[in-house]
Amino acid sequence: EAGVTQSPTHLIKTRGQQATLRCSPISGHTSVYWYQQALGLGLQFLLWYDEGEERNRGNFPPRFSGRQFPNYSSELNVNALELEDSALYLCADRGEGTEKLFFGSGTQLSVL
Amino acid sequence: SQQGEEDPQALSIQEGENATMNCSYKTSINNLQWYRQNSGRGLVHLILIRSNEREKHSGRLRVTLDTSKKSSSLLITASRAADTASYFCATDSGGGADGLTFGKGTHLIIQP
Repeated sequence: EAGVTQSPTHLIKTRGQQATLRCSPISGHTSVYWYQQALGLGLQFLLWYDEGEERNRGNFPPRFSGRQFPNYSSELNVNALELEDSALYLCADRGEGTEKLFFGSGTQLSVL
Repeated sequence: SQQGEEDPQALSIQEGENATMNCSYKTSINNLQWYRQNSGRGLVHLILIRSNEREKHSGRLRVTLDTSKKSSSLLITASRAADTASYFCATDSGGGADGLTFGKGTHLIIQP
């Protein structure tokens, strides 16, 4: 069974551009969580999608947005990139009836 | 916002020794989980302890939970070089709204 997959592995953008990150949960899992891990700051909750709907968002500006598709894969969009957006972006899913999260390998976003 | 705070931030020990990491949190929880992260990639679930449990074991891992002090500890016995990683505690307050709330982690280095 394939785990949570994220693409791309690395993404290099310049300030002001837009970045699109993708995540596919484990087959049959409908919940997707996005986290930002900036250097030294631990994991910060960004967004939660379930059954195609945004259920909750963390304390991030509106230029961080996303969506979940009918197949439960998800996309995170970051507009008007700033230097401090440089971080590892992690996607995780939570299967029905389980309390633990399954993480993808992350997308390392570098903003120059 | 951070819920769990790990202590110490970094720990370096010799192979074969035991490693102990501590975690403190602020609000009531349903369960507390520990995760491991290798080289800035995805997190891997290690162990979950529920709020009505005091101690749990899994292989070389031992987790304790003291809800009156809002603290937990992770003990890794007979450490190996392959245990070198960052370890995060994560709290689950229920409801799934933001998945889990993570601390900043303890970076563990096992010297061969």
